[in-house]
Amino acid sequence: QLQLQESGPGLVKPSETLSLTCTVSSGSISSGTYLWGWVRQPPGTGLEWIGSTYYSGSTYYNPSLKSRVTISIDPSKNQFFLSLNSVTAADTAVYYCARLTVSRYFEYWGQGILVTVSS
Amino acid sequence: DIQMTQSPSTLSASVGDRVTITCRASQSINTWLAWYQVKPGKPPKVLIYKTSTLETGVPSRFSGSGSGTEFTLTINSLQPDDFATYYCQQYSAPPWTFGQGTKAEVK
Repeated sequence: QLQLQESGPGLVKPSETLSLTCTVSSGSISSGTYLWGWVRQPPGTGLEWIGSTYYSGSTYYNPSLKSRVTISIDPSKNQFFLSLNSVTAADTAVYYCARLTVSRYFEYWGQGILVTVSS
Repeated sequence: DIQMTQSPSTLSASVGDRVTITCRASQSINTWLAWYQVKPGKPPKVLIYKTSTLETGVPSRFSGSGSGTEFTLTINSLQPDDFATYYCQQYSAPPWTFGQGTKAEVK
């Protein structure tokens, strides 16, 4: 069964850059026409798609975050990455990495990582 | 963006009850709708995709229906493991968007 695992700092200072890594195991990040993406859930609120990438590196971003987000991928390491700059307290959330099916629903999820933005 | 609106926000039910959650899209999404179950401290779990197709391993007491802009998730004979928060998600067009969630709590 495909597994995804998020890693990165749990605390980021305001105005700095949030950087997370998703490591994929028991499957290749280069296989098929899947999208690999990031979703977040701020405390007490709902789910928000941040953006996604193909293994080729083509990306799609949520317009609400597009100016601050970069998603990249390293197929040789079976990893993809999230960078969110100029963070504020509103970016405090559990961040999930996930694989999207060909039709674009979220099939596999990582366990999630809580990132708190605070000085 | 396509807005997804769920109702109710919270539902109180007992084990054995039949419960229905509604999800409305701000424009037609055909049948490109998925439902997820979220429990505290756990990642979302897909229950249903393409409106009515059960993900492998999901109990048959879950069912989905609808098309266009109105969709429902029904749980027949609610079980203790089903008390959780449920989200719909449209994947008709990016940005992929979720409903605000429906929490099923013990009555």
